[in-house]
Amino acid sequence: QVQLQESGPGLVKPSETLSLTCTVSGGSVSSGSHYWSWIRQPPGKGLEWIGHIYYTGSTIYNPSLESRVTISIDTSKNQFSLKLNSVTAADTAVYYCARVHPWWQLGDWGQGILVTVSS
Amino acid sequence: DIQMTQSPSSLSASVGDRVTITCRASQNVNSYLNWYQQRPGKAPKLLIYSASTLQSGVPSRFSGSGSGTVFTLTISSLQPEDFATYYCQQSNITPHTFGQGTKLDIK
Repeated sequence: QVQLQESGPGLVKPSETLSLTCTVSGGSVSSGSHYWSWIRQPPGKGLEWIGHIYYTGSTIYNPSLESRVTISIDTSKNQFSLKLNSVTAADTAVYYCARVHPWWQLGDWGQGILVTVSS
Repeated sequence: DIQMTQSPSSLSASVGDRVTITCRASQNVNSYLNWYQQRPGKAPKLLIYSASTLQSGVPSRFSGSGSGTVFTLTISSLQPEDFATYYCQQSNITPHTFGQGTKLDIK
């Protein structure tokens, strides 16, 4: 059974870059059967899709974040990562990584990591 | 972007009740509609995909229907563990947008 685990700093200063990693176990990011995704949820609010990545490095981003976001993949470490630059308080959220299934549904999720943007 | 609107935004019900949540898309999403359950402090959990297909391991009291722009999630007989927030999501066109959520609590 695949498991996903987010890791990274829980506190980022305004204008700096948020960097998170998702480590996958029980499955391979390079299998070619799935895309991999990042989603976020501000405290007390709803879910926002950030983007997907395929093992080839091909990405699809939410246009609302595209100018600031980079998703990358490291098949040797079985990980994929999120970078969001020029963060503000509005980027404070729980960030989730997930495995994308064939109908583009988010079938498997990490537990999430709270990232607070504050000086 | 495709706007997803859920109704109601909140709902109070009792154990054993049948409840239905509606999700409307601002344009046709075909059957690329997913439903998730989120308990407090937990990650969302996939319940239904492609509008009506039950994810493996999800109890059969959950069902989904619809196509195009109007979809429903039905819980046939509420159990205590079903009190949570439910989200729909369209995955037909990027960005893959979510509804605002429906919070289901105990009456």
